[in-house]
Amino acid sequence: DTGVSQNPRHKITKRGQNVTFRCDPISEHNRLYWYRQTLGQGPEFLTYFQNEAQLEKSRLLSDRFSAERPKGSFSTLEIQRTEQGDSAMYLCASSSSTPSGPSTDTQYFGPGTRLTVL
Amino acid sequence: AQSVSQHNHHVILSEAASLELGCNYSYGGTVNLFWYVQYPGQHLQLLLKYFSGDPLVKGIKGFEAEFIKSKFSFNLRKPSVQWSDTAEYFCAVKGADSWGKLQFGAGTQVVVTP
Repeated sequence: DTGVSQNPRHKITKRGQNVTFRCDPISEHNRLYWYRQTLGQGPEFLTYFQNEAQLEKSRLLSDRFSAERPKGSFSTLEIQRTEQGDSAMYLCASSSSTPSGPSTDTQYFGPGTRLTVL
Repeated sequence: AQSVSQHNHHVILSEAASLELGCNYSYGGTVNLFWYVQYPGQHLQLLLKYFSGDPLVKGIKGFEAEFIKSKFSFNLRKPSVQWSDTAEYFCAVKGADSWGKLQFGAGTQVVVTP
């Protein structure tokens, strides 16, 4: 399978603990996105990388959240001092540059990591 | 600010019925439009997309969508649904001139009864 993969698929943690999620994009995709989805809502954008550079961060991404993509391949999303409100599905997506530029950008999503904070 | 509105949160219909899901967006510029589908237990999959040209776009599994620029709409249609179309459907918009985030609607849960 050459799609976007995410690990772990499920994470249960106690409030106050730190958690880290990993995303492996489709190979050769240089753009990587993180979204958060809560029940009954569509995905909400968190942050976005082009290669190893983090180019945009949402206001949803508080200082307890940090994302990295050190070698421009996989990415990690860490949440420190988790709160019950962090419980959600964390989605990763990737896309690649095309000769047509951003007007034909298409994002492909992974299966997500479901976080439950007790 | 970008926003996407999906008119129905839940739709229940019988097999062979026609489906139309509404999507309206707010964005001050040229847009790219998408419909994604999430089948039970599966991840988000791209159903179809509009970049430019013919406003009627066809996607997988017999779905199509029509972009009406004057109405800021991108409604999804399927003439005859099957039980396997039971899923949650999300409309999304992105500025055509920038890489970056998709703005999603809240989704429509579609249940097709046998």
